[in-house]
Amino acid sequence: SQQGEEDPQALSIQEGENATMNCSYKTSINNLQWYRQNSGRGLVHLILIRSNEREKHSGRLRVTLDTSKKSSSLLITASRAADTASYFCATEEGAQKLVFGQGTRLTINP
Amino acid sequence: GAVVSQHPSWVICKSGTSVKIECRSLDFQATTMFWYRQFPKQSLMLMATSNEGSKATYEQGVEKDKFLINHASLTLSTLTVTSAHPEDSSFYICSVWRTYNEQFFGPGTRLTVL
Repeated sequence: SQQGEEDPQALSIQEGENATMNCSYKTSINNLQWYRQNSGRGLVHLILIRSNEREKHSGRLRVTLDTSKKSSSLLITASRAADTASYFCATEEGAQKLVFGQGTRLTINP
Repeated sequence: GAVVSQHPSWVICKSGTSVKIECRSLDFQATTMFWYRQFPKQSLMLMATSNEGSKATYEQGVEKDKFLINHASLTLSTLTVTSAHPEDSSFYICSVWRTYNEQFFGPGTRLTVL
């Protein structure tokens, strides 16, 4: 089952701008994770935010979590061409199984 | 960190043939591995949980007789797509769960069935 809905499905911005992606989920969570996938490749773990955290930073990444709204956002600041990829949120559905959102395809235009 | 490899990275086969995909944990002994499927421009869907030394656990709607999983050692899990058909064409990705919340994904295998 797909837990998360991501918004927007596709995003195209100019290099240097900020990119914001949103994710909503349905059930209670212990944590939420964000992954990046370059075209035709595997997934790379970006950041994990626990249910008792509201915001977390990692380099140019900023993740927020609102458990009351069951939503999370991923902000990439000062985007670069290399940030072009698909981004997925994922929640854990028991026994280490991850349920992924639909993903946002991000394109950074030079 | 853990490194996960998959082989082959891509495969093209004729309809009706079987295809085996390998997933290896290169620096970590994994009692559990996961197999996901991803159709073009879609998200990853968990297919099954591969358990070393025991039967795999399949997600609802995944045919266990069609997608055979063998986790014969702590570093190798194989997924065999039996009697493949064009609708099985997809990107298959495995993952290894190393510690709490730390999951590593393989590079994926693109299967095209003609």
